[in-house]
This record gives sequence, C-alpha cells and structure tokens, in this order.
Amino acid sequence: ETGVTQTPRHLVMGMTNKKSLKCEQHLGHNAMYWYKQSAKKPLELMFVYNFKEQTENNSVPSRFSPECPNSSHLFLHLHTLQPEDSALYLCASTQQQGGVNTEAFFGQGTRLTVV
Amino acid sequence: KQEVTQIPAALSVPEGENLVLNCSFTDSAIYNLQWFRQDPGKGLTSLLLIQSSQREQTSGRLNASLDKSSGRSTLYIAASQPGDSATYLCAVGAYNTDKLIFGTGTRLQVFP
Repeated sequence: ETGVTQTPRHLVMGMTNKKSLKCEQHLGHNAMYWYKQSAKKPLELMFVYNFKEQTENNSVPSRFSPECPNSSHLFLHLHTLQPEDSALYLCASTQQQGGVNTEAFFGQGTRLTVV
Repeated sequence: KQEVTQIPAALSVPEGENLVLNCSFTDSAIYNLQWFRQDPGKGLTSLLLIQSSQREQTSGRLNASLDKSSGRSTLYIAASQPGDSATYLCAVGAYNTDKLIFGTGTRLQVFP
C-alpha cells in the first residue's frame, strides 16, 4: 500500500459536470498539497493545507474547490471545467516542522480529461 | 524568485552507461533538495532527499550531490538499466514558502 492514495485514477467529464478527486495519506503528515501537471510544463502548485487550514491558493480559478476535512484526507471538487484543465492532478503530503518540510510523498495521480 | 532548471531535457543511452543528470537553482536559500522519478502517466516516486547541510546522499546505484553555494545538484546513476527509463525531477524546498519548486525534468531512455 502506498503512503498516498488517489482516486479515481482516470476521470473523463463534460464541461457541465461536477466531480471530486480524493486523496488520502497514511503517513501521519500534517500538510497536504494539490499539484497540476500539464504536458511539457513544470508541476504547478494549486493548494496547500497545513493542519487542515489552507495556507496557499496559487491563483487557482474558482472552478477548482479544495476541501480538507482532516489532516489525512484532501478533496478537489471540480465544476464547469474547461478542456484546458485536462491534466494529471497529483496529491502530495509532507510533515511541516518549524517552517520546513520533510520528504514529500506523492500519490499516483488522477488523469483528468475534460470533453 | 526561485527558478529550477534541469539539463539535459532528454537523454538516450545504451544499457550499462554511468549517467549524470543536472539540476540548478537560482536562490541558494534552500533547506533541502529532493530527486524524484516519474513513469509515464504516473505519480512521483521519491528517490533521494538531501538536506542543505549535507553534500550527498546514496541509495543503491543512485548518488545525489548538492553544492548549495553554486546552486547545483547532480544525480548520478551507475550502470544504467532499461528499467531506469523515466522522467527525473528535482525540487527544492525554500524557506518561507510551503511549496516545493520543481524543475522541468530530464526524460531518460535506456535501451538494451
């Protein structure tokens, strides 16, 4: 079992649909992240949660809505997406201590296609 | 603003060669640097983490070095194998930010 689990692995949705991505970490970490990876671009940080509090929103459009009910679970709610939002969405976790992060662990990602 | 660059962008080598992948960063105020491997369409697998106080880390055939003052890290892969084919990413952890800053990666292909 990997330390960070993402579901679903693949998702195809229409532009008017509402769907959610789920991430769960089993590492006892206190910080969780959503990253977006598009073809031929570096990973883009979307959101950071530390102790369930959102600490960073990297100018992400409101059609992406994160939720962190506890330090082990992270969701990304999607609605009225655009085709250019098609990408690999990656979840990660770390332990934040004294302003620095320990080793980051990533899930296997959700491949999202918006049609 | 911290920028991370990886050279080369792509590399194709025969099996058995020793390889060096490069990562450079513009701001030396980092507390760690991490190397990852990514297979196509998959997530990132952590390979090595180097703290800013360390000069190198080793795991099996992999050795990563860090020269913080010059803003460079190298990942050395000994006796490469076809199973090493993947994209390799480096990322720096910078003070006063929650995020890792990633390079664009080196796509490695090792052929038999």
